[in-house]
Amino acid sequence: QQQVRQSPQSLTVWEGETAILNCSYEDSTFDYFPWYWQFPRESPALLIAIRPVSNKKEDGRFTIFFNKREKKLSLHITDSQPGDSATYFCAASEDYNQGKLIFGQGTKLSIKP
Amino acid sequence: GGIITQTPKFLIGQEGQKLTLKCQQNFNHDTMYWYRQDSGKGLRLIYYSITENDLQKGDLSEGYDASREKKSSFSLTVTSAQKNEMAVFLCASTRDNNQDTQYFGPGTRLLVL
Repeated sequence: QQQVRQSPQSLTVWEGETAILNCSYEDSTFDYFPWYWQFPRESPALLIAIRPVSNKKEDGRFTIFFNKREKKLSLHITDSQPGDSATYFCAASEDYNQGKLIFGQGTKLSIKP
Repeated sequence: GGIITQTPKFLIGQEGQKLTLKCQQNFNHDTMYWYRQDSGKGLRLIYYSITENDLQKGDLSEGYDASREKKSSFSLTVTSAQKNEMAVFLCASTRDNNQDTQYFGPGTRLLVL
């Protein structure tokens, strides 16, 4: 059973447009949602994270929107740049579960110049 | 700052062979993780360890053993390599067993002939 789902599997947008990556989860006890990005031939690295006390987290051009009732979140990348081309993973964890992250399958984002 | 090193970078094995992957971190982090990443898929947790000599199973532990010999190192053993298996094994660490940033190593690429 896939506890964290991402869509679309791949996404292509033009430079300067807003890319929207979606994530949904099953378990209502999840209370921490980091997004990791992974460039080709590199390892994942933390991009931005949110906890359910907020419904929005912003860091520059990257914003997470969180809907606790629907168990959905999305990552918005405004003014997309070719350097944003990467695979983005949504993940989730529970406070008492020793930092164990459940990762989604990822969205491969390509930005066309 | 710190770094995670994984050895070897590439590993070619034979079907049925026992293979060992090693991970070292100098962050002085308490918790370490082993993930498997298959092409086009997310990261799946194999084993993790919250302190020296501790071992906890992840969702994908069958077919693997692990060992946390000391705080800075965490080893993973593929007990019997499967023919045509191809994956990247990623080691990660966090400061403690809370919901902290996970830092990833460069990975070991496994190919079983």
